Amino acid sequence: DIQMTQSPSSLSASVGDRVTITCRASQSITTYLNWYQLKPGKAPKLLIYAASSLQSGVPSRFSGSGSGTDFTLTITSLQPEDFATYYCQQSYSIVVFGPGTKVEIK
Amino acid sequence: QVQLVESGGGVVQPGRSLRLSCVVSGFIFSSHGMHWVRQAPGKGLEWVAVIWRDGSNEAYADSVKGRFTISRDNSKNTVYLQMNSLRAEDTAVYFCAGDKSGTRPYGMDVWGQGTTVTVSS
Repeated sequence: DIQMTQSPSSLSASVGDRVTITCRASQSITTYLNWYQLKPGKAPKLLIYAASSLQSGVPSRFSGSGSGTDFTLTITSLQPEDFATYYCQQSYSIVVFGPGTKVEIK
Repeated sequence: QVQLVESGGGVVQPGRSLRLSCVVSGFIFSSHGMHWVRQAPGKGLEWVAVIWRDGSNEAYADSVKGRFTISRDNSKNTVYLQMNSLRAEDTAVYFCAGDKSGTRPYGMDVWGQGTTVTVSS
């Protein structure tokens, strides 16, 4: 089974900061990698699909990159509404979510 | 406007069964694969199951394989999750989600608000 890891598990940042979250797969998943945002009491929201494609309606400050085993989600100029937990998810072999990265206010 | 509305959650004793439903409106249900994803209290997202758009194929997480069954009725725009032999560790908010693809898992771009399942004696 493909395992997903994320780093860091949490981070503190300020409004306006650039934030980078890393996701790693235990084997190549080509670009079958998605990123989601989850806020308490809300449904998850797809941000990035196929590693680097921005989902419709998602602000352009979100971007994704990577292929194979290593992937990155970048938020340029963090906004107050971006404080949430972010999950990567592979769909190369069925579906597995990463453990999540909590982005907190510094 | 796309809407996914889950129902069927509740409190159930260990070993018992529960069936969740998710009614979809606002998109072409029969064109999309459908998933169930859960979040246990204080934990991260865990994928549970997926069913292809025509119901021809299903897949499950190892943690629920043999106990849970996903199905769909395209005439009713509804996806189901039959949960048998429930355990305390199945306690979670269960979300249904629609996939961008109909023929293989790709990305879940539409989500319901979730229904809560509590397994407790």
